Formats: sequence, structure tokens, C-alpha cells
Amino acid sequence: QLQLQESGPGLVKPSETLSLTCAVSGGSFSSSTYYWAWIRQPPGKGLEWIGSISYSGSTYYDPSLKSRVTISVDTSKNQFSLKLTSVTAADSAVYYCAGHIGWHSPFDPWGHGTLVTVSS
Amino acid sequence: QPVLTQSSSASASVGSSVKLTCTLSGGHTTYSIGWHQQQPGKAPRYLMKLEGSGIYNKGSGIPDRFSGSSSGADRYLTISNLQSEDEADYYCETWDSDTRVFGGGTKLTVL
Repeated sequence: QLQLQESGPGLVKPSETLSLTCAVSGGSFSSSTYYWAWIRQPPGKGLEWIGSISYSGSTYYDPSLKSRVTISVDTSKNQFSLKLTSVTAADSAVYYCAGHIGWHSPFDPWGHGTLVTVSS
Repeated sequence: QPVLTQSSSASASVGSSVKLTCTLSGGHTTYSIGWHQQQPGKAPRYLMKLEGSGIYNKGSGIPDRFSGSSSGADRYLTISNLQSEDEADYYCETWDSDTRVFGGGTKLTVL
């Protein structure tokens, strides 16, 4: 059964770059049917899709974040990553990684989430 | 892109049933959705994929108390025999050709 675990700094300074990694275990990370995604949840608010990447490296981003986001995959390490540039306090959130089998499927499974605070 | 609308809150008593609604925006009323549960302080958990036909496929380990149905633009999540642990936020999700969206979530209180 696939398991996902996020890691990265819990505190990022304004205007800097937020970088997170999601390690995937317990299954076939190399499956060509899987997409890998990042989702965030600001404190007290709902879920926001950030973007997804296919096994082959095709990327899909939320239009409101597209200019600041890069998602990449490292198949040799069974992990994928998120970079969000020029962060502000509005980017403070719990960040989740998740997978979905094919584009037309819901997110399953989810990681446990990691809190990132943007503050000087 | 599609928009998903959910009521902000709902409540029901232990042992009763509740039906949560997720409404798809115009032009997207045939779309499939996913339902997710987020218990307080926890990560979301996938519940099921629900098609416009009303067919649904649940995730691993999801109790029989959880079911789905559809009518027009509305997608429903019904929880029967409510338990205290069902108190949670419930989110619907859908996707278009190159984007994915969530509804605003419904906070379910179990009385």
C-alpha cells in the first residue's frame, strides 16, 4: 500500500523559496499510471490544489500559482518535489502531497501533511 | 473550469443519517467527483469516487455506512448510523482537462 511522507523546512522567510519533498514508499512509484500532486490548506481554511505531475514529467498547475510553482519528480529516489518562489505570509499553510491513479481519479493516498510558516 | 459548491455546515445526531451535497457548476454537470473526509487535526482521507450515473467506488477500509448518489448537477454523500468519529470536514473534488478543484467543504457536527 502506497505511503507518502512530506519533508522540508517548517519556516521560510518572505520573498524566499519554499521547497518540499514527498517520499513515496510501499508501492510502484514507477507506475506510468500515477500522477503526483501537491495540495495546501491555509490555517482554518479549505483545500487548495497547487499542481500535479505525471510519471513522464508532464506538469499541471493551478493558474493562480503557475508563475511561482515548479513540481518535479526524481524516479531514482522515489520522490517528487515542490518549489514555490517569492513566498508571502499568504503561502503559510499545511502542505500535503498526494497521488492519483490517472488524471480522472481523486487524490488517494494522501500524505500526513507538513506545516510551513512564512515569517521573518 | 468547474466550480464545486458545498454547504458550510451540517449537523445530525448519533445513530441517524445525513446527506451532504456537492453541486457542480453549469457546463460541468456530468463530471465525476471524489469525496474526502478530514477529521480534526488530521490529513484528508479518500472516501470514494462518484460518477454522474450514481455509481461509486469506495476507498480501502471505508465502512458500508458511507454511500454516494447523484442527481443532475448534485453529488451526494450519505452517512448512515452516524458515529461520533464521523464529525469532520468533508470535501468534494473534481477535475477538468488540465486543472483540479475542491469544494469549500462541509463541517459535519455529530450531536
